[in-house]
Amino acid sequence: QKEVEQNSGPLSVPEGAIASLNCTYSDRVSQSFFWYRQYSGKSPELIMSIYSNGDKEDGRFTAQLNKASQYVSLLIRDSQPSDSATYLCAVNTGNQFYFGTGTSLTVIP
Amino acid sequence: DTAVSQTPKYLVTQMGNDKSIKCEQNLGHDTMYWYKQDSKKFLKIMFSYNNKELIINETVPNRFSPKSPDKAHLNLHINSLELGDSAVYFCASSLQGGAETQYFGPGTRLLVL
Repeated sequence: QKEVEQNSGPLSVPEGAIASLNCTYSDRVSQSFFWYRQYSGKSPELIMSIYSNGDKEDGRFTAQLNKASQYVSLLIRDSQPSDSATYLCAVNTGNQFYFGTGTSLTVIP
Repeated sequence: DTAVSQTPKYLVTQMGNDKSIKCEQNLGHDTMYWYKQDSKKFLKIMFSYNNKELIINETVPNRFSPKSPDKAHLNLHINSLELGDSAVYFCASSLQGGAETQYFGPGTRLLVL
């Protein structure tokens, strides 16, 4: 079992819709959780970090963490074509960083 | 002002050669990392290093070795390159190496022929 799992997609949503990206992790001692965005040919860039259960909002982005169920999600409201990218979920267990394989998102104008 | 920089951006070389990729960060971070991203976009950590500890992913062949002349630099040296080493290699850094955010360099695209 992989430490971090994501649906690879591709996920397609129309412009203006809500995009929902999900991630599950296997290590219960995981301490911190991150969502990175990676455009094709570019390096990952941090969108959100979340450390405690519940929701964390930043502009159009909301990260949700449920440690009991071992999942973390990212909601993108009012999706824009510029949001089209691969979204990587990352989990820090305290000793190691683990990335998921990423979900490819396409926002259709 | 580039926070994390890598050179070269592209590297094309023959099987069996030895090559190095350089990484520098000007963020004042204590911990640096090397990642390999394969053709399926899976990002896998290879090493994490601060001035106290080197953590090696046990799946990394010993042909790969990190070298750190100082806290701001972590270079990756690869011996006897193989076809399967072709990938994008990312350097990253974080403040202390715990739960902090990692900041990535632009990547080095390595092609082994």
